[in-house]
Amino acid sequence: EDQVTQSPEALRLQEGESSSLNCSYTVSGLRGLFWYRQDPGKGPEFLFTLYSAGEEKEKERLKATLTKKESFLHITAPKPEDSATYLCAVIVGNQFYFGTGTSLTVIP
Amino acid sequence: SQTIHQWPATLVQPVGSPLSLECTVEGTSNPNLYWYRQAAGRGLQLLFYSVGIGQISSEVPQNLSASRPQDRQFILSSKKLLLSDSGFYLCAWVRARGSYEQYFGPGTRLTVT
Repeated sequence: EDQVTQSPEALRLQEGESSSLNCSYTVSGLRGLFWYRQDPGKGPEFLFTLYSAGEEKEKERLKATLTKKESFLHITAPKPEDSATYLCAVIVGNQFYFGTGTSLTVIP
Repeated sequence: SQTIHQWPATLVQPVGSPLSLECTVEGTSNPNLYWYRQAAGRGLQLLFYSVGIGQISSEVPQNLSASRPQDRQFILSSKKLLLSDSGFYLCAWVRARGSYEQYFGPGTRLTVT
């Protein structure tokens, strides 16, 4: 069965304390892996797409990497405005499978 | 640029009442369209997706249905709501050909009482 698992469920960081979020997947026929940011009461906001193992994407303090079985979202020197839930998803055929997310809180 | 709209933003409905949520996309043609439901503290559950007018694929058998009467319009409906239908409903679109990047609307918060 296709599955996406994110860890940890929640993460509290001091401002400036770098860390990583994990997304592991067990799917066949992966066509892409995606990271989203979701603020409370809003729709997810697209961050990155990764297509093949070894690929990396960066945006401001965020960097996403992909291996054959998992992806990491690295957050460097986070700020309070980075507080949000981060979701990962994979696409198989035309269907997207989402993890349950990591709730990130950055404390000033 | 592309924009996706959903309405209403919030909705409170009694059990047994009908439902109609609408989603429209601007600035693109022939998108793949998706309906998701997000329960509190949970991930997104795919409900329906559509690759073209009149073409609907259902992922979760339940009392909800979807229709795509126009290329950029996607409607989620129910004849009789259940308490378990409460949640945050999200519409999303993906370019039919291309990067598979998925963009979400602002969502509808549905509370069934």
